[in-house]
Amino acid sequence: AQSVTQLGSHVSVSEGALVLLRCNYSSSVPPYLFWYVQYPNQGLQLLLKYTSAATLVKGINGFEAEFKKSETSFHLTKPSAHMSDAAEYFCAVSKSGTYKYIFGTGTRLKVLA
Amino acid sequence: DGGITQSPKYLFRKEGQNVTLSCEQNLNHDAMYWYRQDPGQGLRLIYYSQIVNDFQKGDIAEGYSVSREKKESFPLTVTSAQKNPTAFYLCASSIVRELTPEAFFGQGTRLTVV
Repeated sequence: AQSVTQLGSHVSVSEGALVLLRCNYSSSVPPYLFWYVQYPNQGLQLLLKYTSAATLVKGINGFEAEFKKSETSFHLTKPSAHMSDAAEYFCAVSKSGTYKYIFGTGTRLKVLA
Repeated sequence: DGGITQSPKYLFRKEGQNVTLSCEQNLNHDAMYWYRQDPGQGLRLIYYSQIVNDFQKGDIAEGYSVSREKKESFPLTVTSAQKNPTAFYLCASSIVRELTPEAFFGQGTRLTVV
């Protein structure tokens, strides 16, 4: 069965510091991986997705993620945090052909001035 | 503008009452989904549908029912059998034919039992 683990339910960084949000997946076959962002009382917005074309994926708002098969990881990074990045971030996995998405429990990012 | 519309944004339910949450999409997507979100638990799949007149149970279907009579619409009914319905409910849709389709989400409905 597929699953997604997000380490750290809350992460705080200073404005301008590196953002690192961790996601590990477990899947018996190569998965499709996604990162979403959610602002309070809103739906989820796609940040980026792994399509197997490249292991380093660039998304919106300066975020990127690297797929590492050996570590079964898909961590999200941003070189310099901005106050507007404060939100909840979800990693999700989908297996080819299932069109079913499994979400992690989320990481709430706080950006300190 | 194409998108997913959920209504209402806030809904209050009395004990023992059934309520229906609306989800409409104009993206021409085949697949639609309902997720429940509780603090610290992420999103849990309630039901999903990949084609009109067909749907499958997700991980937490008990106490919920759905219908898919039209491609654009996937309403969710929270029945009185759902013992703890207070939560944030998210509807999503995706293309079926694409290799790595992402899910598009509505803005959510916050349901509270009073």
